[in-house]
Amino acid sequence: DVKVTQSSRYLVKRTGEKVFLECVQDMDHENMFWYRQDPGLGLRLIYFSYDVKMKEKGDIPEGYSVSREKKERFSLILESASTNQTSMYLCASSPVWDQPQHFGDGTRLSIL
Amino acid sequence: QKEVEQDPGPLSVPEGAIVSLNCTYSNSAFQYFMWYRQYSRKGPELLMYTYSSGNKEDGRFTAQVDKSSKYISLFIRDSQPSDSATYLCAMKNNQGGKLIFGQGTELSVKP
Repeated sequence: DVKVTQSSRYLVKRTGEKVFLECVQDMDHENMFWYRQDPGLGLRLIYFSYDVKMKEKGDIPEGYSVSREKKERFSLILESASTNQTSMYLCASSPVWDQPQHFGDGTRLSIL
Repeated sequence: QKEVEQDPGPLSVPEGAIVSLNCTYSNSAFQYFMWYRQYSRKGPELLMYTYSSGNKEDGRFTAQVDKSSKYISLFIRDSQPSDSATYLCAMKNNQGGKLIFGQGTELSVKP
């Protein structure tokens, strides 16, 4: 089975802090994704990566950056956290582009 | 208009009922169709994956795709309380497009 592991289930941070969310997959997948999920807005794509050191903006990249130094690890960075970034963050991976994405259990992030 | 429309529910059914969950879409280029199940405070879990039109069955679950009507369905037979979750449809084209999700339908199966 595919395993996508997000480092924290719950995280509380202060406004202005730099926040790191980590994601690791164990299936040698090429593609990795970061989404946020909010009530009434569904899943929205923040960034994705199709190879090591490669990244592409999704629909809502403002206020976020990403890093993919190793194939199995994809990090989401909130440069200066704000309260409107309080959300559920979901990481996903897929082996190739036309195969389904597999998700981690999410990080529920609260910015106070 | 959203590319993918899904009734958010909530949908409440008695145990043993047949459940029908549906999504409509506007982009005729979509070729890959998925259904995910998401339990509360967990990530989405892939349930069904189909390419192009037709039916696919897996145990109590059947996925249908009608491309002419731009309509996909997930049927759950003999529904169980453990099926209570939010069900998300998702779809994409075959040209490297992004995965587009529906809003999700919240399902509750009562014992």
